[in-house]
Amino acid sequence: AQSVTQPDIHITVSEGASLELRCNYSYGATPYLFWYVQSPGQGLQLLLKYFSGDTLVQGIKGFEAEFKRSQSSFNLRKPTVHWSDAAEYFCAVGADEAAGNKLTFGGGTRVLVKP
Amino acid sequence: GAGVSQSPSNKVTEKGKDVELRCDPISGHTALYWYRQSLGQGLEFLIYFQGNSAPDKSGLPSDRFSAERTGGSVSTLTIQRTQQEDSAVYLCASSLSTGGWNEQFFGPGTRLTVL
Repeated sequence: AQSVTQPDIHITVSEGASLELRCNYSYGATPYLFWYVQSPGQGLQLLLKYFSGDTLVQGIKGFEAEFKRSQSSFNLRKPTVHWSDAAEYFCAVGADEAAGNKLTFGGGTRVLVKP
Repeated sequence: GAGVSQSPSNKVTEKGKDVELRCDPISGHTALYWYRQSLGQGLEFLIYFQGNSAPDKSGLPSDRFSAERTGGSVSTLTIQRTQQEDSAVYLCASSLSTGGWNEQFFGPGTRLTVL
């Protein structure tokens, strides 16, 4: 069965600093990988996705993520954090088409931004 | 265009009562997913529909949970004889189809509180 681990429950970062959120996955085949963001009181918004090809993927809001098969990781990064990036971030792996593409989420990482 | 909508946004009920949660997917989306977000379990898959059929109900926690979708559009998640552990945010998502990979768009959720 597929699974996703986000080792960091909370991260505090200063505005203007860089941010990296860790994600490790377990999946038997080539994974479909996603990062979602959930701002307070908001629904989940897709930041970026990886299906195949270039292992460094660019997303919205200045985020990027790197797929490393050897480490079963898909870490999310942002070079310069803004106060509006304070939110909860979820990494997810998608089941294949035969399983309806359902998503398995990690436990989430809550990001706090200090002024 | 309109996104995924869910109603009600908040629901408070007494233990033992039945509740119905509604999801209106994006027009033209044939795939519809229900997820639950709770403090203890994080974000977990419940059920998905392709059209009106539900090929995978594996995530439903118990037989008190059921879901239906009519006309390939609106879906209703019903919880019978609610228990306090059912308290959570229930999220609905829709996508164009389950063939290939299509982004899942999430609604704002219904927050269910069982007293």
